[in-house]
Amino acid sequence: EPEVTQTPSHQVTQMGQEVILRCVPISNHLYFYWYRQILGQKVEFLVSFYNNEISEKSEIFDDQFSVERPDGSNFTLKIRSTKLEDSAMYFCASRKDRGRETQYFGPGTRLLVL
Amino acid sequence: AQSVTQLDSQVPVFEEAPVELRCNYSSSVSVYLFWYVQYPNQGLQLLLKYLSGSTLVKSINGFEAEFNKSQTSFHLRKPSVHISDTAEYFCAVSGAGGSYIPTFGRGTSLIVHP
Repeated sequence: EPEVTQTPSHQVTQMGQEVILRCVPISNHLYFYWYRQILGQKVEFLVSFYNNEISEKSEIFDDQFSVERPDGSNFTLKIRSTKLEDSAMYFCASRKDRGRETQYFGPGTRLLVL
Repeated sequence: AQSVTQLDSQVPVFEEAPVELRCNYSSSVSVYLFWYVQYPNQGLQLLLKYLSGSTLVKSINGFEAEFNKSQTSFHLRKPSVHISDTAEYFCAVSGAGGSYIPTFGRGTSLIVHP
């Protein structure tokens, strides 16, 4: 069964450094998402992406964040200058098409900012 | 906008006992409802969903949930749990139609003891 994959599984970085989290959505999916889950808290929506542009974003997704689909398979989340509070689990998800309601999640990248 | 309340942060239960994980939602529009499960060190997996039709939905591993519109609830139940059911369970709601971006509850940690 096809699945969403994410790399790396864990990343440790120093405050102020840039990080790029990578995701490979399911191949025939058209909608892509990033979520984060701060330890012990709920899963929060960050951004959705369709047709090579952001379709929705939350207030969490400020200018420090950006997303990109650099090729036909990868979907990346970049944090330009990490802060301590960016430490969280970041999930990528994808959805097939307009008529399909279910998002499929990757295993997540655990980011620790020191 | 939608919101989800999971009333119990932690539910301890003995193996083979029944369990109910509670979920209430609020929304001004029709909704889709989901339960996701997160096993230790893994990502979110869709457990079951309600879109329309029968209000009782079931998963392949014995869980079921019932959509109750009058009580705005979508409680998850299993008549007899296994050790392997130990995980974090997230209830989520999205508007029926539109962007399908789910709003998650805080999660309930199901702990099954031998």
